[in-house]
Amino acid sequence: AQTVTQSQPEMSVQEAETVTLSCTYDTSENNYYLFWYKQPPSRQMILVIRQEAYKQQNATENRFSVNFQKAAKSFSLKISDSQLGDTAMYFCAFILGYNNAGNMLTFGGGTRLMVKP
Amino acid sequence: EPEVTQTPSHQVTQMGQEVILRCVPISNHLYFYWYRQILGQKVEFLVSFYNNEISEKSEIFDDQFSVERPDGSNFTLKIRSTKLEDSAMYFCASLSQGRTEAFFGQGTRLTVV
Repeated sequence: AQTVTQSQPEMSVQEAETVTLSCTYDTSENNYYLFWYKQPPSRQMILVIRQEAYKQQNATENRFSVNFQKAAKSFSLKISDSQLGDTAMYFCAFILGYNNAGNMLTFGGGTRLMVKP
Repeated sequence: EPEVTQTPSHQVTQMGQEVILRCVPISNHLYFYWYRQILGQKVEFLVSFYNNEISEKSEIFDDQFSVERPDGSNFTLKIRSTKLEDSAMYFCASLSQGRTEAFFGQGTRLTVV
């Protein structure tokens, strides 16, 4: 079974600064996908960024980027120029590639990020 | 951006009553899920649905729970006899065949009293 671990329950950052949220995962498979979701106080789950394991290039989406280290099974999220609206719970998630039998999206425990003015 | 739509956004029900939570996933997606999140806790997998049948389910998904895709578009979660501990946010998600798109609905907040 796959596991996803987020070792930082809470983090804070000053507005306009950069913050990195950690995520590690455990799998014996080679083909998989990784996601970061943002959950603001409204509790909606919003897809922030995704990474295909077969791609070496780190995904970026505006102020959000990842540092994907496949050998280390690490998938951290970097938020640049933090804004007050980035205050939220952030979840890392993992799913096996489509040619695998399992299709469950597995979540980490979440990191609560507070952006301070 | 395509959307997963869930209704209702909030439901209050008495203990022992049946509830049906509804979801309209993204039309060309193939995998559908229900997750739940008790306030302040982690996101818990309930069930996945593929090719008109359950493909995986968790220990939480006992005989009180069932899922259906009755008309090829709606995807429903039924809880037959609700308990107080079923109070949670319930999320529907859909996933594309290539697994690059995994979107969630806005959630249904279920309160059992």
